[in-house]
Amino acid sequence: EVQLVESGGGLVKPGGSLRLSCAASGFTFSNAWMSWVRQAPGKGLEWVGRIKSKTDGGTTDYAAPVKGGFTISRDDSKNTLYLQMNSLKTEDTAVYYCTTGGSNFAYWGQGTLVTVSS
Amino acid sequence: DIVMTQSPDSLAVSLGARATINCKSSQSVLYSSNNKNYLAWYQQKPGQPPKLLIYWASTRESGVPDRFSGSGSGTDFTLTISTLQAEDVAVYYCQQYYSSPYTFGQGTKLEIK
Repeated sequence: EVQLVESGGGLVKPGGSLRLSCAASGFTFSNAWMSWVRQAPGKGLEWVGRIKSKTDGGTTDYAAPVKGGFTISRDDSKNTLYLQMNSLKTEDTAVYYCTTGGSNFAYWGQGTLVTVSS
Repeated sequence: DIVMTQSPDSLAVSLGARATINCKSSQSVLYSSNNKNYLAWYQQKPGQPPKLLIYWASTRESGVPDRFSGSGSGTDFTLTISTLQAEDVAVYYCQQYYSSPYTFGQGTKLEIK
């Protein structure tokens, strides 16, 4: 059974940083393209970015609102996906979901809430 | 960026009746080289993450009941629930994966009448 478990969310001040983790199990993580999708409170879904598998180059791609501030990485030895978020803004407040897939998203974690507020 | 627009924003349907949700993309998501529409549908129930229902515009994900069907091509797509069940109350999203950034519609809230 595929499981994705996010952690690392919390309250952070504007301009601060946070690193989210996603522990994956039940599939061959190293072969998977992975993505982050976020959802602001009471709002719709927004793709944040993705990382390809290392065999496909391991490259990343980001949505414009987070480009330059967010970095996606992976540790295949730990079956873990990361989202490093720097220079956080109030509009980054959202539930952040880890998902399988680079463009459409078959499996989702339960999400972790990031609140950016002074 | 490709803009995805769903209609209606909300919908109330009687149990056992048909529900239809529309999705329009600002440009075609049909890739001519493989004749596939890069369009997915998701269901999100309250307090839960989204669930993939349909991909390639009309292919049901494994385990999804056959009362859910997707249709359309190019820029106009439809999600149909043939016989609404109580457990289908949710918000439904379409999403294009034709080109980055991969964008979602604003969502359609489906309720029981």
